[in-house]
Amino acid sequence: EIVMTQSPATLSVSPGERVTLSCRASQSVGSNLAWYQQKPGQPPRLLIYGASTRVTGIPARFSGSGSATEFSLTISSLHSEDFAVYFCQQYNTWARYTFGPGTNLEIK
Amino acid sequence: EVQLVESGGGLVQPGGSLRLSCAASGFTFSSYGMTWVRQAPGKGLECVSYISGGVPTTSYADSVKGRFTVSRDSSKNTLFLQMNSLRVDDTAVYYCAKPGDAGGFASWGQGTLVTVSS
Repeated sequence: EIVMTQSPATLSVSPGERVTLSCRASQSVGSNLAWYQQKPGQPPRLLIYGASTRVTGIPARFSGSGSATEFSLTISSLHSEDFAVYFCQQYNTWARYTFGPGTNLEIK
Repeated sequence: EVQLVESGGGLVQPGGSLRLSCAASGFTFSSYGMTWVRQAPGKGLECVSYISGGVPTTSYADSVKGRFTVSRDSSKNTLFLQMNSLRVDDTAVYYCAKPGDAGGFASWGQGTLVTVSS
């Protein structure tokens, strides 16, 4: 099983700041990496797939990068609605997809 | 518009059984592999089972293998998860998820809560 790790576990930031969240895979997943945003009481929402492709309707302030085992999600200028938990997920291995433990983005 | 609506969750004693359903609409259900993803309270996400489109092939997380069975009725656009021998650590919100055309889970239901407790 491919193990996904994320850092930091919690990030306290102010609106308007730029943040970068990190995700690492225990072995190469190529570009088969997705990012999700989850707010309390809601299902996850897909933001990025293919490591760097934004889903239609996701604001341009969200960007993804990386390949193989190292990935990042950058939010260029935080809006109040961006405070949430962010998960990365690899989908490189058929039917054996795994998620990272999440990064909680909270208001400072 | 894709819609996924889960049902069937509830409170069950350890060792008991539940059958979850996920009613799908807005897409050609039979063409897509579908996944059940669970999230324990305050915890992360775990893919517990997958069933392919077409001629069904299934896959399970080690944590549920031998206890859970995923199936689908394409005539009714419905996905199922039969859960037997439930344990306290199966307590979670269970989501059904549909993949996007290019990767990741693009569509999710609102989830159904399964609580295993005596």
